[in-house]
Amino acid sequence: GAVVSQHPSRVICKSGTSVKIECRSLDFQATTMFWYRQFPKKSLMLMATSNEGSKATYEQGVEKDKFLINHASLTLSTLTVTSAHPEDSSFYICSAKTGPYNSPLHFGNGTRLTVT
Amino acid sequence: AQSVTQLGSHVSVSEGALVLLRCNYSSSVPPYLFWYVQYPNQGLQLLLKYTTGATLVKGINGFEAEFKKSETSFHLTKPSAHMSDAAEYFCAVSDYTGGFKTIFGAGTRLFVKA
Repeated sequence: GAVVSQHPSRVICKSGTSVKIECRSLDFQATTMFWYRQFPKKSLMLMATSNEGSKATYEQGVEKDKFLINHASLTLSTLTVTSAHPEDSSFYICSAKTGPYNSPLHFGNGTRLTVT
Repeated sequence: AQSVTQLGSHVSVSEGALVLLRCNYSSSVPPYLFWYVQYPNQGLQLLLKYTTGATLVKGINGFEAEFKKSETSFHLTKPSAHMSDAAEYFCAVSDYTGGFKTIFGAGTRLFVKA
């Protein structure tokens, strides 16, 4: 159980275009999802907390107008990288919890974004 | 604020040898601690967690970790390494002061030699 599906797994886009990444909880409802960014050989940086039916909570230093998060249902959160630039190239991973605050995270398989 | 320090960005062991990956945390209140494993180009998978209760926790694939409050540590061990254990390992912490956000350490790459 507790499967999180993330799509696409890889995407290449041109500079200036926008890319949408989907994160779905397949067998549970997720009122909260988390979006992380991972730089090469680096740890995971929490970008934002996605809340179903309300605005996402962004971490300090993350541009909310650049990284648009929508959590329209209990099983789907999307991250849109707008007007992408090469420096946005990274590995983006979504995650969700199945239980209360002390529950572990369940991760999607990540999306490798390359902006050319 | 919480933080996690993983000592050693790379650890190399021989197959069959003891695996020890070190993790120290900082938290002003009782923490919730986790170890995750990541294989190349994949998301993370939970190995084990400590929330309350027994300080020695056992996880999947033969891994275990011990919560030591006095040392603010949560080191990960496995008695005998397998080639399939080669991966990136992340220690993580959360507590209510951070809104229960999960904060990750920098990760430790485990290499297993034949």
